[in-house]
Amino acid sequence: EVQLVEAGGIVVQPGGSLRLSCEASGFAFGDFSMHWVRQAPGKGLEWVSLISWGASSSYYADSVKGRFSISRDDGKNSLYLQMNNLKTEDSALYYCAKAGGDGDYGYYFDFWGQGTQDTVSS
Amino acid sequence: SYVLTQSPSVSVAPGQTARIPCGGHNIGHKNVHWYQQKPGQAPVLVVYDDRNRPSGIPERFSGSNSGDTATLTINRVEAGDEADYFCQVWDSTPDHSYVFGSGTKVTVL
Repeated sequence: EVQLVEAGGIVVQPGGSLRLSCEASGFAFGDFSMHWVRQAPGKGLEWVSLISWGASSSYYADSVKGRFSISRDDGKNSLYLQMNNLKTEDSALYYCAKAGGDGDYGYYFDFWGQGTQDTVSS
Repeated sequence: SYVLTQSPSVSVAPGQTARIPCGGHNIGHKNVHWYQQKPGQAPVLVVYDDRNRPSGIPERFSGSNSGDTATLTINRVEAGDEADYFCQVWDSTPDHSYVFGSGTKVTVL
């Protein structure tokens, strides 16, 4: 059974930093690209970032480009999101999600974690 | 960047059919994926590549895509189908990205 468990969400002040983690199990983690997707309270879903299998490529939404950095440790079956210079609009539930579909990056999200809440507030 | 448009809400009686549209320019040329999200829960993939169902998703859920509209159809709606439904596509312009619709709340009367 695929399981994705996120951790690291806390309350942080604007301009602060935060590192989220996601531990995966139940599949060959190193063989799949992985994503972060976020959802602000009462709002829709917003894709945040992608890291390819092998970590050779990464992509970011324009809203976080230059501030967030995605990484992975295949030996620990773990995905990370380093978030710097946080803004109030970054407050959201952050989900890690496994890439689904063909190609190096997949085209959809076939399994999701339960999410970790990040609140940016002074 | 690509834009997906969804109606905010759809209401349907139990046993009837719910049709949830997702609009986008020439969306018929893209592969559309659908997620169900119940309150307090993570999204669940219910249809991928326009019309395919992941393992464990009931046959009552189906998808279609043509022209400027993709549609998720739920036949014989049950109370447990009440949820938010999001459509999603992959977009290559200007860069590799994934786009979601704003979501449709399905209410079972």
